Amino acid sequence: GQQVMQIPQYQHVQEGEDFTTYCNSSTTLSNIQWYKQRPGGHPVFLIQLVKSGEVKKQKRLTFQFGEAKKNSSLHITATQTTDVGTYFCHGGSQGNLIFGKGTKLSVKP
Amino acid sequence: NAGVTQTPKFQVLKTGQSMTLQCAQDMNHNSMYWYRQDPGMGLRLIYYSASEGTTDKGEVPNGYNVSRLNKREFSLRLESAAPSQTSVYFCASSEVTAGGLYNSPLHFGNGTRLTVT
Repeated sequence: GQQVMQIPQYQHVQEGEDFTTYCNSSTTLSNIQWYKQRPGGHPVFLIQLVKSGEVKKQKRLTFQFGEAKKNSSLHITATQTTDVGTYFCHGGSQGNLIFGKGTKLSVKP
Repeated sequence: NAGVTQTPKFQVLKTGQSMTLQCAQDMNHNSMYWYRQDPGMGLRLIYYSASEGTTDKGEVPNGYNVSRLNKREFSLRLESAAPSQTSVYFCASSEVTAGGLYNSPLHFGNGTRLTVT
């Protein structure tokens, strides 16, 4: 069945450093979504990518969707303590709705 | 605007007890979902309802039942709770667009933290 692998599982950075999490699917995705979950909170939708090779930016966050629509990445430039949390990708395709296991980001001030 | 409301927030059950987790959304969304979240396992889909009157199994449906009571409400029932069902349960909803179920962002409730002893 379809699998969505997300790496790394954990990332510890110093405030101001960059951060990237990667999401890889075993099958072609119709779209990919990214969510952020603060400690003790619930997942909150960040963005959706649909087109092959699509790149979207939200302030310091850059999201990419691979040309083959099988992988995606989230890059945060100059992390801040407010970026702390777990970032999940969610790959959609017919018959499957799969979340990656998430990357937990901690930021040392 | 409340969004997605889940009750209760916390629950402790003994093995074999039953309970129903309630979920309601006020966004007029067609689709609703139940997920469980366990450490290191991410979010796993238990059941979903693409539209009122339909329900489908997700990745981990065993030990659970669901009811789509109306467009607003989607409940999750544990008939005989087991320690393996200790988890955080999230309800979510989405608006189904022309792109279909898989192109719709999910809106989550605050979760129910369930412990089965």
